[in-house]
Amino acid sequence: GAGVSQSPSNKVTEKGKDVELRCDPISGHTALYWYRQSLGQGLEFLIYFQGNSAPDKSGLPSDRFSAERTGGSVSTLTIQRTQQEDSAVYLCASSIPTGTSGGAGLSYEQFFGPGTRLTVL
Amino acid sequence: SQQGEEDPQALSIQEGENATMNCSYKTSINNLQWYRQNSGRGLVHLILIRSNEREKHSGRLRVTLDTSKKSSSLLITASRAADTASYFCAPTGFGNSGTYKYIFGTGTRLKVLA
Repeated sequence: GAGVSQSPSNKVTEKGKDVELRCDPISGHTALYWYRQSLGQGLEFLIYFQGNSAPDKSGLPSDRFSAERTGGSVSTLTIQRTQQEDSAVYLCASSIPTGTSGGAGLSYEQFFGPGTRLTVL
Repeated sequence: SQQGEEDPQALSIQEGENATMNCSYKTSINNLQWYRQNSGRGLVHLILIRSNEREKHSGRLRVTLDTSKKSSSLLITASRAADTASYFCAPTGFGNSGTYKYIFGTGTRLKVLA
């Protein structure tokens, strides 16, 4: 089936403008994650959605960043008043638990999208 | 949250040699996953090892886990130029609530020279 898709693949914007990044997770995946990766760096966790639970927003770097997930499927990451330091690749991943509730427990393999490369001029 | 720290940060080897990357973490886990990233884009899941496993194989990949030392290693045997990529580990904590939050490290950048 289809994997995780993200759009746009590249986005160039001017400082101060708002941008919206979209993630379409794999159908049926209950968990969705947003990460940010600056050039040559690791992945920085931004936000996590799990089913109907309140999202974990602890990784959002400022109040200019927000995300929502409509109907438990598509997610949009919005960055308001973009700054040059927001330039990075934004990655989305979705997952669904596998395994059993006993023993070593459930595991959540993440399936990543190709990312959106954001450049703020 | 869980965080993995990969070591070394960069590794350069000749094609055909084996590559070993290490991962350390600080808290209890119920499984640990390794991912690969090419060209700064999406990560691809490679292998998962559960806390009650000590070693796992998948093709040319061999993963070990030592929960007493809170460490894992990824071995790629008979490396190929196509294995050139960044490799990340993702420790995963206990619980069935689904509230896992993966904190990836900076990864190991592997370069395989032809």
